[in-house]
Amino acid sequence: QSVLTQAPSASGTPGQRVTISCSGSSSNIGSNYVYWYQQLPGTAPKLLIYRSSRRPSGVPDRFSGSQSGTTASLAISGLRSEDEADYYCAAWDDRLSGVLFGGGTHLTVL
Amino acid sequence: EVQLVESGGGLVKPGESLRLSCTASGFTFRDYNMNWVRQAPGKGLEWVSSIGGSGAYLYYSDSVKGRFTISRDNAKDSLFLQMNSLRTEDTAVYYCARGHDYGDYVPDPWGRGILVTVSS
Repeated sequence: QSVLTQAPSASGTPGQRVTISCSGSSSNIGSNYVYWYQQLPGTAPKLLIYRSSRRPSGVPDRFSGSQSGTTASLAISGLRSEDEADYYCAAWDDRLSGVLFGGGTHLTVL
Repeated sequence: EVQLVESGGGLVKPGESLRLSCTASGFTFRDYNMNWVRQAPGKGLEWVSSIGGSGAYLYYSDSVKGRFTISRDNAKDSLFLQMNSLRTEDTAVYYCARGHDYGDYVPDPWGRGILVTVSS
């Protein structure tokens, strides 16, 4: 059972804006940065957002991250069919002394 | 370009051992923390273990503590995971991943992963 909680699924139509949330606690999201990954079937995760709101070079600005208290969010605007994938949040946990991943959210583009 | 290449996976029986290796290139290996992350078939990502740049700091998930040992050889730019007393629930793709930035443990980039299957 993941300590970072994500909804198992989300959906949207092309062009829409979708938000995926990640809920944690004071020992992880409440005190450390959040990272977001996109994983396509059969491939390794790809970093979308680091340090809660920064985008690596090459990641479109349609992807944005935010963090407030013990909750983080990933927003995808101008949804495209190629955005259909699994999305994971992650953060270091001070109590666990380890990396925590959310359970993942499968995004369907209708 | 950063490259991480895992090797050593395969099919083993419950109770047996396996040693995974990860060869790194494209960055100064000793300057970065490193991780092993796994993904069981059809499941989410699960952090397994992390090691500091010097090898002095070791961290393990509760699910592998006492059975798995992480280590590194900075002279050979290599990361290892010794897996003992393997269980069927250890079946997964195992990813080697660098800490995102200096001092970070949260992983990125990642290798392609290697499959470990534990079955009788």
